[in-house]
Amino acid sequence: ETGVTQSPTHLIKTRGQQVTLRCSSQSGHNTVSWYQQALGQGPQFIFQYYREEENGRGNFPPRFSGLQFPNYSSELNVNALELDDSALYLCASSLGTGGQTKNIQYFGAGTRLSVL
Amino acid sequence: QKEVEQDPGPLSVPEGAIVSLNCTYSNSAFQYFMWYRQYSRKGPELLMYTYSSGNKEDGRFTAQVDKSSKYISLFIRDSQPSDSATYLCAMTGNTGGFKTIFGAGTRLFVKA
Repeated sequence: ETGVTQSPTHLIKTRGQQVTLRCSSQSGHNTVSWYQQALGQGPQFIFQYYREEENGRGNFPPRFSGLQFPNYSSELNVNALELDDSALYLCASSLGTGGQTKNIQYFGAGTRLSVL
Repeated sequence: QKEVEQDPGPLSVPEGAIVSLNCTYSNSAFQYFMWYRQYSRKGPELLMYTYSSGNKEDGRFTAQVDKSSKYISLFIRDSQPSDSATYLCAMTGNTGGFKTIFGAGTRLFVKA
């Protein structure tokens, strides 16, 4: 168990709807990263939050947005859902950014999103 | 070309075999190399973490990094059926932000 918790575990939405996924980081970690993992693929980086500020973004459209709260928990919001958004969404927390062991990311179990 | 290439397998071996899993990468700025294990419908679990080139051993697992060849490996000795999972390589460095890039994952089956 990593101490990173995600909710909900599973979610079913229809195309065009909006969804919010939640993540509680491991105790002492101030950095949260979100990933999308399609079936049979590796996780794809969506964005990272460090001390409540976005600290890097992957190749995802603006309808993917996020927040980090003062307690370092985080939300991922996806607007105007598309069928291709169906995937496992993973949250990972780390001690910080930059070098050495601060980079090591610990993952939650993920939220499985199905868009119909 | 993807930044990180990993053969998706599947790789099937008998119990007790030595397993070799590999990744290649293109960005020389990567400095930190990780191997994660992911069981079906679970999040990735960190197995090994290596900084720069060299070897690191932890029990039955050995990670190797060859930065000159941009090649990393994970060896599993005395493989067990419980090792059956998807193994993901991941790497990061000062690439204009410490974004972590994952390989596609190799599915491993260890037969009893």
